[in-house]
Amino acid sequence: EIVLTQSPGTLSLSPGERATLSCRAGQSVVSSYLAWYQQKPGQAPRLLIYDASSRATGIPDRFSGSGSGTDFTLTISRLEPEDFAVYYCQQYGSSPRTFGQGTKVEIK
Amino acid sequence: EVQLLESGGGLVQPGGSLRLSCAASGFTFSNYAMNWVRQAPGKGLEWVSTGSGTSTYYADSVKGRFTISRDNSENTLYLQMNSLRTEDTAVYYCAKSGYGSAWIFDYWGQGTLVTVSS
Repeated sequence: EIVLTQSPGTLSLSPGERATLSCRAGQSVVSSYLAWYQQKPGQAPRLLIYDASSRATGIPDRFSGSGSGTDFTLTISRLEPEDFAVYYCQQYGSSPRTFGQGTKVEIK
Repeated sequence: EVQLLESGGGLVQPGGSLRLSCAASGFTFSNYAMNWVRQAPGKGLEWVSTGSGTSTYYADSVKGRFTISRDNSENTLYLQMNSLRTEDTAVYYCAKSGYGSAWIFDYWGQGTLVTVSS
């Protein structure tokens, strides 16, 4: 099983700042099959990024994904008030498909 | 507009059974793999099961106890949960697969809470 470790656990930032979230895999993720999801309190997760760097339909271009192998990054270029949430990475290159433990982006 | 509506959650005793349903609309249900993902209270996401037209997949933690099925004529996904344990307590989300992969979850329902407790 591929373990995904997200860091930091919590990121305290102000609106307008840049957010950089990390997802590190215990072994290489096949074909960069990595996705990012956003979850707000009391809501279902929402797909942001798939295949490490492709934005899902309707996702603003301030969200970008990068990385390969074992190291992946989600960047939010300028935080909007609605971006404060928990973010999860997920690998789907190997069975079982696994999620990271999440990074909370909170208002500073 | 894609919509997924889960139902069937509730309180059940350890060792009991429950069947979850997910009513889908807004897309051609039979063309897509469908999934169950759960989230224990205050915890992260855990993939539970995936069902495509001909294949089913399960997390080790539920294999042999849970069964995923679908009725394409009714656009409905099911999860039959038997031999429930306290650690199965979670919000269960139904999620549609997309972007050409069974494992990318592009739309999610709002979830249904399953509580396993005596």
